Amino acid sequence: GDSVTQMEGPVTLSEEAFLTINCTYTATGYPSLFWYVQYPGEGLQLLLKATKADDKGSNKGFEATYRKETTSFHLEKGSVQVSDSAVYFCALRSAQVTFGIGTKLQVIP
Amino acid sequence: NAGVMQNPRHLVRRRGQEARLRCSPMKGHSHVYWYRQLPEEGLKFMVYLQKENIIDESGMPKERFSAEFPKEGPSILRIQQVVRGDSAAYFCASSPSAGTGGSGELFFGEGSRLTVL
Repeated sequence: GDSVTQMEGPVTLSEEAFLTINCTYTATGYPSLFWYVQYPGEGLQLLLKATKADDKGSNKGFEATYRKETTSFHLEKGSVQVSDSAVYFCALRSAQVTFGIGTKLQVIP
Repeated sequence: NAGVMQNPRHLVRRRGQEARLRCSPMKGHSHVYWYRQLPEEGLKFMVYLQKENIIDESGMPKERFSAEFPKEGPSILRIQQVVRGDSAAYFCASSPSAGTGGSGELFFGEGSRLTVL
């Protein structure tokens, strides 16, 4: 079946540091890939998505590229802010939506 | 345009009682998904429903849990005879179309946090 593997947290970074959260997937066919973000006490919100190989999703300074050859969709941001502190979920959608375990990011001033 | 509405936001039950969680999808959405999030754990799929149909319940525990999405009204996740291990956040999400071949995102509610004493 489909699965998503993402790095376990927590990840603690200083403000303005570079962020990478790794995500790899296993799926049949050609799934769409997503990153969702969950702020404390809230539900998940879509951060970015990519629907086919080599697509790059971007939003709020975050980027991720759909790499079919490595079955990866790593999340990156060049300079994190304290307000980026949240839990980030990688997900894929084929027949249903499958989420990774989530990576907690804490950005300290 | 209201988003996905879940209620109650917080629910406290004693062991053995019943918990009912409600979810109203976004307007125009006919697909509803329920997920459970345990403390410090990820999001676990429970069930996927369309109006009056359960499409995939592979993530639902076989006993005590049930879900429905009637023709009229919200989707209901029902937990009978709750136990302490049922304490979790339950999230509902909706989408306008099915997943196969689609690229659509899920729209999430803010969750219902169940505490079993």
